[in-house]
Order: sequence, then C-alpha cells, then structure tokens
Amino acid sequence: QVQLVQSGAEVKPPGSSVKVSCKASGGSFDSYAVSWVRQAPGQGLEWMGGIIPMFGTTLYAPKFQGRVTVTADESTSTAYMDLSSLMSEDTAVYYCARGRDEVDIFANYVPVYWGQGTLVTVSS
Amino acid sequence: EIVLTQSPGTLSLSPGERATLSCRASQSVRNSQVAWFQQKPGQAPRLLIFGASSRPTGVPDRFSGSGSGTDFTLSISRLEPEDFAVYYCHQYGSSPLTFGGGTKVEIK
Repeated sequence: QVQLVQSGAEVKPPGSSVKVSCKASGGSFDSYAVSWVRQAPGQGLEWMGGIIPMFGTTLYAPKFQGRVTVTADESTSTAYMDLSSLMSEDTAVYYCARGRDEVDIFANYVPVYWGQGTLVTVSS
Repeated sequence: EIVLTQSPGTLSLSPGERATLSCRASQSVRNSQVAWFQQKPGQAPRLLIFGASSRPTGVPDRFSGSGSGTDFTLSISRLEPEDFAVYYCHQYGSSPLTFGGGTKVEIK
C-alpha cells in the first residue's frame, strides 16, 4: 500500500522560507510524478508544481514560478517543496500527491495517492 | 492556463437521489485528462475518476464520469450518507495543471 508521510506543521514569519518533505513508502518512487497542491483555509485546491524524480524534470504554476522549488531524493524516496518570500496569503495546508505510471508525461501527474497535509502558518 | 468552472456551487439533495456535477473548461482538455476528487472536512482529497471516465480500484460504481473537449460531468447515481462532501474537477492535460472551484453536495 502506497503511503506518503509529510513533515509536521510550521509557523514562519513573513519574508522567510519553508521546506516541506514528503516521504513515500510501499511502492516505486522514481517513475511517478509528485505534485504539490495547497489549500488555504476554507478555500479550494491549488496546484503549485511537481517533479518526476527519475528525470528530475519539473513543472510549476506561473503564479509560483520563482518562489517555489520542488526537488526529490531518490535514495530516500522523499520529495521536497521549498516556498520562499512567504506572505500571510501563503497560510494553507500543503499536500503532496503521487501520480500514475503513464507514458504520457502529463498523465503521470494525476494525483492518485495523497499525503496527510502540512499546515504552514505565516505570521509575525 | 485552462480555467475550470464547476457548477452548481452547492447542490442540495436527499440520500438516494442522483447528483450531476458539471465542470467546464475554458479550452479543450488534451486527451480528456480530467479527474474528479471528493474531499471531506479535515481530510486529503480522494481520487474518484481519472481520464474523464475511469474509476480507480475501490471506488464504488455509483460514481461515474463522462465528457470530452470542454465539458465534463461527474454523476453519483444514488447518494449515500457518506457522499455528502465537496467535489473538485482537475485537468492534467497541460501545464499548469488546474483545479475547479468545487461543488459542495449537501443534505437537503
């Protein structure tokens, strides 16, 4: 059974950075896309970006380009999302999600398995 | 960027009734790469449908998806008490991937 376990809640001051981890177990890691999706309090889902660890290729939503970096460590089956220049509007639950093994790069990204979520609170 | 518009915003129905949720894309979604998710309070989303109409193992067959191009639908044939939740559509056919704003299915 595939499981994604994320790092714990964070409280960060405005202007700082946060790095959230997502460790996969119970299945292969390298060939599946890992996406990062956030959800502000009472709001909908927002896709931020993702990576296919085997290739190291990344995709980012334009809204976050330049502020978010997604990386993966194949040796530990762990993906990371680094968000910089934090603002109060970045307060949200951040989820990682693993995709499917598909030939089509984008089809690989459909989020099948989800982490439990990490609450990031931006506050002075 | 493909904008997904879900309607209605809220659907008030009784258990046993049929639910029909709509997701309209601002441009054609490549290969009908649309997924549907269910989310309950305090929980991560759950994948219900991918590829517009395919159900992952373990998803009850009362959930079905249809559509192509710019118009997609999620149907729940007979609502069970556990189906009252928020539903999101998601396109993963092109970057950036995007989500719809959600439809809340509430008990009437």
